[in-house]
Amino acid sequence: DVKVTQSSRYLVKRTGEKVFLECVQDMDHENMFWYRQDPGLGLRLIYFSYDVKMKEKGDIPEGYSVSREKKERFSLILESASTNQTSMYLCASSLGGQGEYSNQPQHFGDGTRLSIL
Amino acid sequence: GQNIDQPTEMTATEGAIVQINCTYQTSGFNGLFWYQQHAGEAPTFLSYNVLDGLEEKGRFSSFLSRSKGYSYLLLKELQMKDSASYLCAVIDSNYQLIWGAGTKLIIKP
Repeated sequence: DVKVTQSSRYLVKRTGEKVFLECVQDMDHENMFWYRQDPGLGLRLIYFSYDVKMKEKGDIPEGYSVSREKKERFSLILESASTNQTSMYLCASSLGGQGEYSNQPQHFGDGTRLSIL
Repeated sequence: GQNIDQPTEMTATEGAIVQINCTYQTSGFNGLFWYQQHAGEAPTFLSYNVLDGLEEKGRFSSFLSRSKGYSYLLLKELQMKDSASYLCAVIDSNYQLIWGAGTKLIIKP
């Protein structure tokens, strides 16, 4: 089975801090994704990556950056945390690169519930 | 704009059948996913439809009509463990995944 592991289930940080969320997958997937999930809004894509050192902005990239130095690891960085970034953050991975490989299902980590005070 | 509509919440009785609908308006269509998400847990893949018709997988079935921009997830012989949110997601013409807000399904004994 695919295993996507997020470094923390719960995290509390202060406004202005730089926050790192880590995600590791063990199935050699090309694609990795970072979402945030808020009640009533569904999953919103922050960034995705289809290869090492490659990244693409999603729907809500403002205030975030990402890093993919190794195939198995995809990090989300909140440059200067703000209270409106309090949310559930979900990492996912899937087979294939861009385009037609998007029909591969995404496999999700358990999520990080981040609170910014 | 792109839009996916699902009911916010549904209630059903243990042992019964429930149908969760999903309608979409997207720029093109390259497939539709259904995911299940228990409270506090990760979404897990249930089904994928790209052609019209019904796909059956045990107690769960998923239907697609591309001409109507419509899909449904059918759950039979409901069990308490089926209480969860069900997420519909569509792959658009740019191969981007558009997510619905999800339907929270409550199962009562």
